[in-house]
Amino acid sequence: GAVVSQHPSRVICKSGTSVKIECRSLDFQATTMFWYRQFPKQSLMLMATSNEGSKATYEQGVEKDKFLINHASLTLSTLTVTSAHPEDSSFYICSAARQRNQPQHFGDGTRLSIL
Amino acid sequence: KNEVEQSPQNLTAQEGEFITINCSYSVGISALHWLQQHPGGGIVSLFMLSSGKKKHGRLIATINIQEKHSSLHITASHPRDSAVYICAAEDSSGSARQLTFGSGTQLTVLP
Repeated sequence: GAVVSQHPSRVICKSGTSVKIECRSLDFQATTMFWYRQFPKQSLMLMATSNEGSKATYEQGVEKDKFLINHASLTLSTLTVTSAHPEDSSFYICSAARQRNQPQHFGDGTRLSIL
Repeated sequence: KNEVEQSPQNLTAQEGEFITINCSYSVGISALHWLQQHPGGGIVSLFMLSSGKKKHGRLIATINIQEKHSSLHITASHPRDSAVYICAAEDSSGSARQLTFGSGTQLTVLP
């Protein structure tokens, strides 16, 4: 159990495009989802914490207008990178937890390349 | 904010060798996670521990709370164990469990 699906796995698009990434918990309901970014050879960095039905909490330095997060249901959270630029190219990965105080289960990640 | 350090950064071993990856953190935590990241990027959670020792197959994780140190051991290593191993310190003092990640250890097991 505890499967998290992330889609798409890879995106290549032109600068200025907005890109939506979906994170779904397939066999459990997730009240909390986390979005991370990982640059090459670096560790995962938390971008934001998303709670179902409420606004996401963004980490310092992460632009909330640039990275729109929606957690409209207990099984789906979306991250939209608006007007993406080459510097937004990175590996984005989500995780989901049944409750705030329970373990996180990770998706397979989305590799975003902005040309 | 917690500082999480892993060593070594890179490790190459021959098949069958016993492997140890170390993780230290600077601030008290509620739990320590060991994760495995495959070349494609997907992450699998291996262990979550807050004290003592856990074992799953050929993998063993230990933690010493007083010394703020954890180790991941792989016995009888195999080429399929090749991956990046990441430790993450969990702080649940806030409203949600947050993880601070180490920089990872790239393990390559040669046949």
